[in-house]
Amino acid sequence: GENVEQHPSTLSVQEGDSAVIKCTYSDSASNYFPWYKQELGKRPQLIIDIRSNVGEKKDQRIAVTLNKTAKHFSLHITETQPEDSAVYFCAADTGKLIFGQGTTLQVKP
Amino acid sequence: DGGITQSPKYLFRKEGQNVTLSCEQNLNHDAMYWYRQDPGQGLRLIYYSQIVNDFQKGDIAEGYSVSREKKESFPLTVTSAQKNPTAFYLCATTSAILGTDTQYFGPGTRLTVL
Repeated sequence: GENVEQHPSTLSVQEGDSAVIKCTYSDSASNYFPWYKQELGKRPQLIIDIRSNVGEKKDQRIAVTLNKTAKHFSLHITETQPEDSAVYFCAADTGKLIFGQGTTLQVKP
Repeated sequence: DGGITQSPKYLFRKEGQNVTLSCEQNLNHDAMYWYRQDPGQGLRLIYYSQIVNDFQKGDIAEGYSVSREKKESFPLTVTSAQKNPTAFYLCATTSAILGTDTQYFGPGTRLTVL
């Protein structure tokens, strides 16, 4: 069935460094790829999304890239700050959203 | 996100009891979803509904039931058949207007079996 693999499961960076989280998906018909940030005990919040007709999208310190041929997409966070510490989920829309397992990002001051 | 409410925030259930989790939205969104999240895990789809009076099973529907009698409401019942119901339950909605499939989440209900 449809599957989304997310790596790494945990990521620790120093404040100011960049962080990259990668996801691969199995259904080539997927056309929408959102990224969510979830702080402890709270709801997931959409931080950025991309559609299959574009290869890259940026929003300030956050960017997402999509490679349809390879069926993978990545989240890039530059100039990380302690408040970026959270769990990040990728997802692929196959008619319903399939979520990755999540990446716990820790930004050390 | 403020247009989606879930209640209660915390719920305790004794073994063998059925409990119902509430999800209400005032966003006029057509589709509604229920997810289960276990500690350190991703989100798994329980049920979803794209229109009133219609719903489909997700990946882990066993032991759960839903109804969609009104556009604004999509309650989830956790039945005694669900053997390990302790988890964080999230409701989400989607609007297809303007071609976006973005899902917005409610604040969640944390269910604990005593």
